[in-house]
Amino acid sequence: RKEVEQDPGPFNVPEGATVAFNCTYSNSASQSFFWYRQDCRKEPKLLMSVYSSGNEDGRFTAQLNRASQYISLLIRDSKLSDSATYLCVVNIRDNTSGTYKYIFGTGTRLKVLA
Amino acid sequence: EAGVAQSPRYKIIEKRQSVAFWCNPISGHATLYWYQQILGQGPKLLIQFQNNGVVDDSQLPKDRFSAERLKGVDSTLKIQPAKLEDSAVYLCASSLLIAGGTTDTQYFGPGTRLTVL
Repeated sequence: RKEVEQDPGPFNVPEGATVAFNCTYSNSASQSFFWYRQDCRKEPKLLMSVYSSGNEDGRFTAQLNRASQYISLLIRDSKLSDSATYLCVVNIRDNTSGTYKYIFGTGTRLKVLA
Repeated sequence: EAGVAQSPRYKIIEKRQSVAFWCNPISGHATLYWYQQILGQGPKLLIQFQNNGVVDDSQLPKDRFSAERLKGVDSTLKIQPAKLEDSAVYLCASSLLIAGGTTDTQYFGPGTRLTVL
């Protein structure tokens, strides 16, 4: 089983639609969670961190369910410019070294259609 | 603030040749990461440095890949000899904290796109 799993999509949605992505992780010791956005042939960029209480940034809402080990991202009122790949990222602490490492999912492709 | 710099941006080589990539992280960032991203997949960590020491290289194919971060600043990643399956984008990232952490943020460079023929 992969450490971080995402539906690769693609999700094709019309402008103005609401779309939701889910991500599951296997390591219950995971410490923190993020959504990154990656445009075609570009580097990943942090979209938002995901907090236990859930958090919102404009049209974007992230939720974390530790009991079920999944993270979600909701995009409301989709724009053409939201077309990208959304990467789910989990931060895990290595108990031996005391350092943290980031595990990336494969990403979910979103295409917003005019 | 300058971002993470990488060079070259593109490289085409034949199999069994050698190649090296360079990364200059954001000034003051203690942790540096090299990732391999194959088309259609998420980035996979190859090696993680904390200052100039390696903290994780468990997924680095050490028979052909090597990396160093002398003086705890910039870093080079080398492949020798290259194989067809090494074709990928090699991303360098840096983060501020020494041990990472739950509030640390990674910043990525633009990547080097390697094609092995």
